Amino acid sequence: EVQLVESGGGLVKPGGSLKLSCAASGFTFSNAWMSWVRQAPGKGLEWVGRIKAKTDGGTADYIAPVKGRFTISRDDSKNTLYLQMNSLKTEDTAVYYCITNPYYEIYWGQGTLVTVSS
Amino acid sequence: DIQMTQSPSTLSASVGDRVTITCRASQSISTWLAWYQQKPGKAPKLLIYKASTLKSGVPSRFSGSGSGTEFTLTISSLQPDDFATYYCQQYNNFFGPGTKVDIK
Repeated sequence: EVQLVESGGGLVKPGGSLKLSCAASGFTFSNAWMSWVRQAPGKGLEWVGRIKAKTDGGTADYIAPVKGRFTISRDDSKNTLYLQMNSLKTEDTAVYYCITNPYYEIYWGQGTLVTVSS
Repeated sequence: DIQMTQSPSTLSASVGDRVTITCRASQSISTWLAWYQQKPGKAPKLLIYKASTLKSGVPSRFSGSGSGTEFTLTISSLQPDDFATYYCQQYNNFFGPGTKVDIK
């Protein structure tokens, strides 16, 4: 059974940093492309970025509002995906989800709340 | 970047109505498209993947079709539990802005 479990969310001041983790199980993590998705309060779903499997180059892509501030990485030995968030802004307040499609079906974690506020 | 659009943004319908939501991609994405249902305060629920494959456990009144740049989600007979917001998503990429289905 595919499982994704996010952690690391919390309250942080504007300009601060936070690192989210997503622990994966139930599939071959090293072969999977992984994405982060967020949803701000009362807003729609927003894809944040994605990291490819190392066999596909292992590169990450991001949406414009987070480029240069957020970094997606992976540790295939730990089956874990990360999202390092720096220079956080109030508009980054959202529930953050990790998602993947190791086969064709898409799986989501339960989400972790990030609140950026002074 | 491939952008996703949805229409309509809001849809008012009655129980028993046939409902169709359209999702368009700015360039071809083959059949790499998923549909989600989301209710307030809840995580999104996957309905359809690979454009037309119904996720196990999802009622058969939901169906998806399309390929390339144009896709549709159809609810054959709207039920009270179906009033929600629906999103399309290109695999590993952008979501559409959502379609809210509310009560007429």
